[in-house]
Amino acid sequence: EAQVTQNPRYLITVTGKKLTVTCSQNMNHEYMSWYRQDPGLGLRQIYYSMNVEVTDKGDVPEGYKVSRKEKRNFPLILESPSPNQTSLYFCASSFLPQGEQYFGPGTRLTVT
Amino acid sequence: EDQVTQSPEALRLQEGESSSLNCSYTVSGLRGLFWYRQDPGKGPEFLFTLYSAGEEKEKERLKATLTKKESFLHITAPKPEDSATYLCAVQGRLDAGGTSYGKLTFGQGTILTVHP
Repeated sequence: EAQVTQNPRYLITVTGKKLTVTCSQNMNHEYMSWYRQDPGLGLRQIYYSMNVEVTDKGDVPEGYKVSRKEKRNFPLILESPSPNQTSLYFCASSFLPQGEQYFGPGTRLTVT
Repeated sequence: EDQVTQSPEALRLQEGESSSLNCSYTVSGLRGLFWYRQDPGKGPEFLFTLYSAGEEKEKERLKATLTKKESFLHITAPKPEDSATYLCAVQGRLDAGGTSYGKLTFGQGTILTVHP
């Protein structure tokens, strides 16, 4: 089954404790992207990747890091999480940037 | 900077009552305009991509249209299962740095509720 998987689905952590949210797709997609969704602010793009080793900033990259060492994986790293990073995070992938994006199920992160 | 504004924020319809959702945008050369549907607690699900003014696409009770400044999602004779948040997004040809075209900007969405 074609899908985008994210782990963990739910995470509660404390300020400053480094964490990684994994994202994996099995569709051989070139393009992958991370978003955060907050009430009243909608979906905002954090980072995207056009291909392996090619990443670029979206609208809200501060406080986040990404890497794309393999085509199927695109982890999101929060090296020192803060409470304002409490949000619902989605990973997505597509063959082309302007193509249909497949979204993962989301990761709900709470930073206390 | 690309911008997307969706209206109304929320729309309540009776089953069978047709209506339209609006997506106004500004973008530095449109590469694509996208419509997605999002159910509570789930990731967005792709509906349509429109590439140029005048283009229209249909899927079941939904029809998306595009002009140079806005897009409409027309819902004909909606059913309760059409209840969801509908998201509009744009992708420009160039970002502020003039180099990349992978950036995607979403609107805040329209929450549609269809009552039986």
